[in-house]
Amino acid sequence: RKEVEQDPGPFNVPEGATVAFNCTYSNSASQSFFWYRQDCRKEPKLLMSVYSSGNEDGRFTAQLNRASQYISLLIRDSKLSDSATYLCVIYSGAGSYQLTFGKGTKLSVIP
Amino acid sequence: ETGVTQTPRHLVMGMTNKKSLKCEQHLGHNAMYWYKQSAKKPLELMFVYSLEERVENNSVPSRFSPECPNSSHLFLHLHTLQPEDSALYLCASSQESGRNTEAFFGQGTRLTVV
Repeated sequence: RKEVEQDPGPFNVPEGATVAFNCTYSNSASQSFFWYRQDCRKEPKLLMSVYSSGNEDGRFTAQLNRASQYISLLIRDSKLSDSATYLCVIYSGAGSYQLTFGKGTKLSVIP
Repeated sequence: ETGVTQTPRHLVMGMTNKKSLKCEQHLGHNAMYWYKQSAKKPLELMFVYSLEERVENNSVPSRFSPECPNSSHLFLHLHTLQPEDSALYLCASSQESGRNTEAFFGQGTRLTVV
């Protein structure tokens, strides 16, 4: 099982739609979880951290399920500007400095 | 505006050339990273420096040589590269302080080896 797995997409959705991405991870000792966003030919930027209790930031909701080892990102009322690649990122902690990145899920929001 | 600056933004080099990539962070972080991003692959961690000491080296070929002269600067020296080394090279920094480790990335150097 790969360390971090994501559906690569692409997800093509109309404006205003709700879209959800899932990400599974293999290391049960993973400590921190993040969603990053990467625009075409740009660097990744942190979108939001993912907390055990779930967290929301405007139209974005992130959830963590430790028992099943997955995290999710829900985007409501999609905007054209949401078009990007969304990267699932895991920090294993325990003395390791490594952030493990998924391959990313590409989202295209269509007018 | 990113607090991590990389130069050059684009680089084309021949297989016999020697070049260096530069990264500078203005965030006061204590860890810096080099990542490689190839088409259709996830980001691959190459090197990690914490407090100017190299703490991880993920089986990177010796034709890539990192240097961290101080906590704000990181270099990647390149020599005798191969065409398959063409990729986006991203520098990142973070403050290692426990659970939440947000990495801030530079805009990357797009490298083409011809």
